[in-house]
Amino acid sequence: DAKTTQPTSMDCAEGRAANLPCNHSTISGNEYVYWYRQIHSQGPQYIIHGLKNNETNEMASLIITEDRKSSTLILPHATLRDTAVYYCIVIPVTNAGKSTFGDGTTLTVKP
Amino acid sequence: DTAVSQTPKYLVTQMGNDKSIKCEQNLGHDTMYWYKQDSKKFLKIMFSYNNKELIINETVPNRFSPKSPDKAHLNLHINSLELGDSAVYFCASSQGGGGAYGYTFGSGTRLTVV
Repeated sequence: DAKTTQPTSMDCAEGRAANLPCNHSTISGNEYVYWYRQIHSQGPQYIIHGLKNNETNEMASLIITEDRKSSTLILPHATLRDTAVYYCIVIPVTNAGKSTFGDGTTLTVKP
Repeated sequence: DTAVSQTPKYLVTQMGNDKSIKCEQNLGHDTMYWYKQDSKKFLKIMFSYNNKELIINETVPNRFSPKSPDKAHLNLHINSLELGDSAVYFCASSQGGGGAYGYTFGSGTRLTVV
């Protein structure tokens, strides 16, 4: 399974957009890009996912490059409650394998 | 209704004991997983399982064994517990490989071995 790399940490001012990058240069054609976040030690929470098109939902937007080798999660108006660890992971459509979470990015939203 | 539920939420036990953590999902998913999150916060997959195939991460000691009485349950048995087994264990489920709809996680079981 493809692996991902993310910056270890990022800061963002409250009310501003948070842009979290992820590299997944070995992604294959049948793998989706997923973003999860984890607040404290709660279970990871789904944010958004995509295959090759950009996606938007009530929580965030996902921008995937044309070659699919990287993506960016955008939280349009970050709040203090968005402080969390954000994980980018690639997951195959079928054949559950060993999809492993990377180290994630610790996003700190500051007042 | 909780989609993926784990019990117990907290578990404190002594070294050498055998313990089980239970997981149930009511999403109708056909694949379930166990993840371990250690003190460094890395989320590592331990097992993925559906009614056809068990995939084991090769780094998982054989003291750990998943047991699935039916499609909605995947329990984790741990024999001869060691201090290093202390971690938060997360159960998750998906439909197929998970790519179409992703994983749904439980709230975790914090295991402390003393």
